[in-house]
Amino acid sequence: EVQLVESGGGLVQPGGSLRLSCAASGFTFSSYEMNWVRQAPGKGLEWVSYISSSGSTIYYADSVKGRFTISRDNAKNSLYLQMNSLRAEDTAVYYCARDLATGMAYWGQGTLVTVSS
Amino acid sequence: SYVLTQPPSVSVAPGKTARITCGGNNIGSKSVHWYQQKPGQAPVLVIYYDSDRPSGIPERFSGSNSGNTATLTISRVEAGDEADYYCQVWDSSSDLVVFGGGTKLTVL
Repeated sequence: EVQLVESGGGLVQPGGSLRLSCAASGFTFSSYEMNWVRQAPGKGLEWVSYISSSGSTIYYADSVKGRFTISRDNAKNSLYLQMNSLRAEDTAVYYCARDLATGMAYWGQGTLVTVSS
Repeated sequence: SYVLTQPPSVSVAPGKTARITCGGNNIGSKSVHWYQQKPGQAPVLVIYYDSDRPSGIPERFSGSNSGNTATLTISRVEAGDEADYYCQVWDSSSDLVVFGGGTKLTVL
């Protein structure tokens, strides 16, 4: 069974940093591209970042470019999102999701990030 | 940047057919994916590649894509179909994933 479990969310002050993790199991992690998608309270889905299976190709939404860094450790079956210079508008539930070309078929349960003083 | 436009809400009576549109410039040239999201839950992929259904998704869910509009069609709507629905594409010109704003489906 494919499982994606996010962790690392919490309350952080504006300008602060946070690192999210996504632990993958039930599939060969190194063979699949991954994404981070977020959802602000009461709002729609917003794609944040993409990383290819090898990590060689990375894309970011304009809203996070230069502040967020996506990475993966295929040996540890883990996906990461380093978030720096956080703003109030980054407050959201952050999901990791597998695949892209065929649609994001698997999602984690999400982790809440709250940016507030 | 590429924009996907969805109606904020669609209402339908049980047993009837719901159609949720997703508008975008020449969207017919892109692959469209659709997601269902119920309150407090993660999104679920219901249609990929315009009209393909993942395993476990009822045949009542179908999709089409042509010109400037993609459509998610839900036949014989049930109360359990009440949810938010999002369309999504990959914009190769900008290397960005784009989601529509979402449509809240209400079953009357």
